[in-house]
Amino acid sequence: GENVEQHPSTLSVQEGDSAVIKCTYSDSASNYFPWYKQELGKRPQLIIDIRSNVGEKKDQRIAVTLNKTAKHFSLHITETQPEDSAVYFCAAAYYGNNRLAFGKGNQVVVIP
Amino acid sequence: NAGVTQTPKFRVLKTGQSMTLLCAQDMNHEYMYWYRQDPGMGLRLIHYSVGEGTTAKGEVPDGYNVSRLKKQNFLLGLESAAPSQTSVYFCASSYWGILYEQYFGPGTRLTVT
Repeated sequence: GENVEQHPSTLSVQEGDSAVIKCTYSDSASNYFPWYKQELGKRPQLIIDIRSNVGEKKDQRIAVTLNKTAKHFSLHITETQPEDSAVYFCAAAYYGNNRLAFGKGNQVVVIP
Repeated sequence: NAGVTQTPKFRVLKTGQSMTLLCAQDMNHEYMYWYRQDPGMGLRLIHYSVGEGTTAKGEVPDGYNVSRLKKQNFLLGLESAAPSQTSVYFCASSYWGILYEQYFGPGTRLTVT
């Protein structure tokens, strides 16, 4: 089955700097790649997703890039703010599998 | 709309006891999922349902059973709890399926002693 790995496990950044989290996936059939944000003690919430027919997607300060050849996708957060401190999960899925395979999560700490 | 709700929020069980976790959604979603979240392990799928009356096994189904008798409810049962089932359990729902946004409930923290 699909296996998703995230790097690094913990990332500390100064407020205002950029943060980048990279995920790799194993199954070339995967064509849907969402990112979920989970604040401490809260539920995971979708922040951005990308499908395999596009290479990049942006939404204000966050963006996701996809490299299908290398089988990796990355989350980019620009101008980081304290409220960006959270655990970020990447995931991968394809139609017919009925399972969203999550990575183990990245802890992002924004230092004021 | 309440979205996705879970009952109870916290529970402590002794080994061998049974319990049922209730997930309810008011968004008319077809797809519902049960995950468990353990430190450093991410979210792992236990069981899922693609519609009323249907259920299927996920990645870690052993020791759990589920039922989806009504479209809005998805129940997760533990017949004989074990310490290895200590975890935070999240329910999620989706309208269009696995390739679209999943809406998560607030979670249930279960401790088995």
